[in-house]
Amino acid sequence: GAVVSQHPSRVICKSGTSVKIECRSLDFQATTMFWYRQFPKKSLMLMATSNEGSKATYEQGVEKDKFLINHASLTLSTLTVTSAHPEDSSFYICSAREASGSPDTQYFGPGTRLTVL
Amino acid sequence: LAKTTQPISMDSYEGQEVNITCSHNNIATNDYITWYQQFPSQGPRFIIQGYKTKVTNEVASLFIPADRKSSTLSLPRVSLSDTAVYYCLVDPKGVQYNFNKFYFGSGTKLNVKP
Repeated sequence: GAVVSQHPSRVICKSGTSVKIECRSLDFQATTMFWYRQFPKKSLMLMATSNEGSKATYEQGVEKDKFLINHASLTLSTLTVTSAHPEDSSFYICSAREASGSPDTQYFGPGTRLTVL
Repeated sequence: LAKTTQPISMDSYEGQEVNITCSHNNIATNDYITWYQQFPSQGPRFIIQGYKTKVTNEVASLFIPADRKSSTLSLPRVSLSDTAVYYCLVDPKGVQYNFNKFYFGSGTKLNVKP
């Protein structure tokens, strides 16, 4: 099956710093990747859709200047949390869609635990 | 986009068959139904996908009635390791994949007891 990786798996940072999270599709090319956020005991919330070679599209209520997304290649998307604050602490999960796969659906990374002190 | 509704939680015992039903009354013609499993602090894992009738793979079966307004995930002979949250999602298929977004519902917390 399609494999998606994330790096780092967990990160702790001080308030005010920026943190970059990488999402890679390891064995397929993904023109579209998605970024989600999940708070404890809650469901996944879609933050943005990342399209290779174009600007990301953000869901309502998600600050695009706060959460910078870059999808520079068909196998890599990055999410940068700028000037992180404690309320940004969460579990961030990416997914990638394998357009030519069977089935054609989203495959998720293992997630990144962000803790902002 | 079609909204999904599932029971918040279910309890079962090891060795039993578990059926989790999801309603998606506003499903569109091009939508598929996809189920994922999520363990704590992990990303969701794909279980099964279907469009109509019945789909079976090595881990589960998916039953979809003719009107497609609901679906049932069937897990045969569950074990303790099947304790997880199960999400039912309407998976839109379209020519432009950047519209194939997922909006997660609350999911069903399955608790398998010994």
